[in-house]
Amino acid sequence: DGGITQSPKYLFRKEGQNVTLSCEQNLNHDAMYWYRQDPGQGLRLIYYSQIVNDFQKGDIAEGYSVSREKKESFPLTVTSAQKNPTAFYLCASREVLAGGPGELFFGEGSRLTVL
Amino acid sequence: EDQVTQSPEALRLQEGESSSLNCSYTVSGLRGLFWYRQDPGKGPEFLFTLYSAGEEKEKERLKATLTKKESFLHITAPKPEDSATYLCAVQAWEYGNKLVFGAGTILRVKS
Repeated sequence: DGGITQSPKYLFRKEGQNVTLSCEQNLNHDAMYWYRQDPGQGLRLIYYSQIVNDFQKGDIAEGYSVSREKKESFPLTVTSAQKNPTAFYLCASREVLAGGPGELFFGEGSRLTVL
Repeated sequence: EDQVTQSPEALRLQEGESSSLNCSYTVSGLRGLFWYRQDPGKGPEFLFTLYSAGEEKEKERLKATLTKKESFLHITAPKPEDSATYLCAVQAWEYGNKLVFGAGTILRVKS
């Protein structure tokens, strides 16, 4: 079945460590996104990519980094510079349509906890 | 200033008690408004896309409508399995390819 796979589902990190969250899609979508979700807040955009080897900062990119070397993969690294990394992270993808917006399809999320 | 606002923050209904959730937006140049359902600990699940004022979409007990400044998600005769957080998101020309999400409405349906 086509879909988006995020791993790991749960991750614990010590302060000062970098961690990488994986996101793989087999929907053949060009665009991929990373969102952060905190209780009582809407999803906030971290980074997005419209095409391989290109990506743009979202609204809260500080302390995060991404790469887009393959169409199917968009890993997110949470660096030690991110001051409050404990959150639920969601990866999404969508087809880029010439005639208008396409809906986002989401993975199941990764919950990161800093100890 | 929030550009996408959802209300109420939380809603408790009895099974069979119909109601509506609201999503208001202040963007100009709307390209699309999206509704999602999210269960605890899961990723959001796509429900509807609305493109222009006056448009309506239906799926089982859910019906989404759109005006120039807001969208409603009507829930008719809800069941306990409709309990979830409902998110709306807006894509507008001023945002480019980004979607802006509201904070969501937590719906609880009791039997």
